[in-house]
Amino acid sequence: GQQLNQSPQSMFIQEGEDVSMNCTSSSIFNTWLWYKQEPGEGPVLLIALYKAGELTSNGRLTAQFGITRKDSFLNISASIPSDVGIYFCAGFKGNYQLIWGAGTKLIIKP
Amino acid sequence: DAGVIQSPRHEVTEMGQEVTLRCKPISGHNSLFWYRQTMMRGLELLIYFNNNVPIDDSGMPEDRFSAKMPNASFSTLKIQPSEPRDSAVYFCASSLEGNEQYFGPGTRLTVT
Repeated sequence: GQQLNQSPQSMFIQEGEDVSMNCTSSSIFNTWLWYKQEPGEGPVLLIALYKAGELTSNGRLTAQFGITRKDSFLNISASIPSDVGIYFCAGFKGNYQLIWGAGTKLIIKP
Repeated sequence: DAGVIQSPRHEVTEMGQEVTLRCKPISGHNSLFWYRQTMMRGLELLIYFNNNVPIDDSGMPEDRFSAKMPNASFSTLKIQPSEPRDSAVYFCASSLEGNEQYFGPGTRLTVT
């Protein structure tokens, strides 16, 4: 079963607001990945994190690999309508298998 | 560069029929993964190939499921016979050395 706790499950925000979501685990991970999935499509890799404490940006997205290696967060600044989708975190312990969070559904209120 | 290619994008079939899903990984990637996604169970890893060799098939639900990778640019996932509970979206993903995985658009399977 899943070992990552991703929160929140869903977010209803106004366009222009900042968004923050996170994943926590009782286990240590070597890599954290953040994906976005839109309806009818596969998950798209947004950001990959490889070192504890690492902070990486991709446009308006910023993600951090927690110091304890047991958590990660993703921030989206100044949200726009095309940010809508489901965001997944995934952790990698060193073998081939990714452990997935349950996803955060982002909905932007008109 | 082309991403992971999957076909068909949608498949509707009757219970008992054989279903074959196809995947072309990103050129140069040596790891290939088949996943199944449902609302109830999220993303589940079915099978993992490395250099065309199946390394872990512990996620394959039953003997009705089989997967092959005859060469570095092609893989199939077969369900025979299909059942309604197999209805899901099936994703293929590829990576270099199993780290960052890149997903295809998926095949939405409906078994009636």
